[in-house]
Amino acid sequence: DQQVKQNSPSLSVQEGRISILNCDYTNSMFDYFLWYKKYPAEGPTFLISISSIKDKNEDGRFTVFLNKSAKHLSLHIVPSQPGDSAVYFCAASASLNAGGTSYGKLTFGQGTILTVHP
Amino acid sequence: SQTIHQWPATLVQPVGSPLSLECTVEGTSNPNLYWYRQAAGRGLQLLFYSVGIGQISSEVPQNLSASRPQDRQFILSSKKLLLSDSGFYLCAWSAGLNTEAFFGQGTRLTVV
Repeated sequence: DQQVKQNSPSLSVQEGRISILNCDYTNSMFDYFLWYKKYPAEGPTFLISISSIKDKNEDGRFTVFLNKSAKHLSLHIVPSQPGDSAVYFCAASASLNAGGTSYGKLTFGQGTILTVHP
Repeated sequence: SQTIHQWPATLVQPVGSPLSLECTVEGTSNPNLYWYRQAAGRGLQLLFYSVGIGQISSEVPQNLSASRPQDRQFILSSKKLLLSDSGFYLCAWSAGLNTEAFFGQGTRLTVV
């Protein structure tokens, strides 16, 4: 049961244009969402997060949008730079689950490979 | 500032051999600790988490075990490795609920 899905395995974008990475989730208990960036053979690096009480959070070139009714979030990178080329993972956590607190456990999507061409 | 150390970076082990991967966190106390695995071409799967010394919860049935002998130390172990244990193992910590987790550099384990 894939509770967090990134349906696009890869995305190719020209430098300077906008990159839009998408993520869908099924668990209505999720109330905190994150995006991570990962290079090969390295651990993921936290990029940006959003709480379910918001629908948008912005940090520099990165903006995350949350549509709770559609159970969908997206990451916008503008302008895209070649150094942004990496695998991007979305993740979600729930403050509570059926057994009580979730202890901050993250459920990850499969990742999207972003390639930004000069 | 907080840092997380994970070692070794790469490991090649024969089937049936034991495993011990270590992770330590500095600059914080009583962190939540996690072990994740990334199989080839897939996302990160949570294996274990710990909210305190000696407290370990397993997320998936498997050939591995975890221990937390000290507040900021998290160990992933196996008595006998299987080929299917190959993967990229990541340790992470977080300060609690609704906050980001910070990851170590990962260990590439190849079981041959």
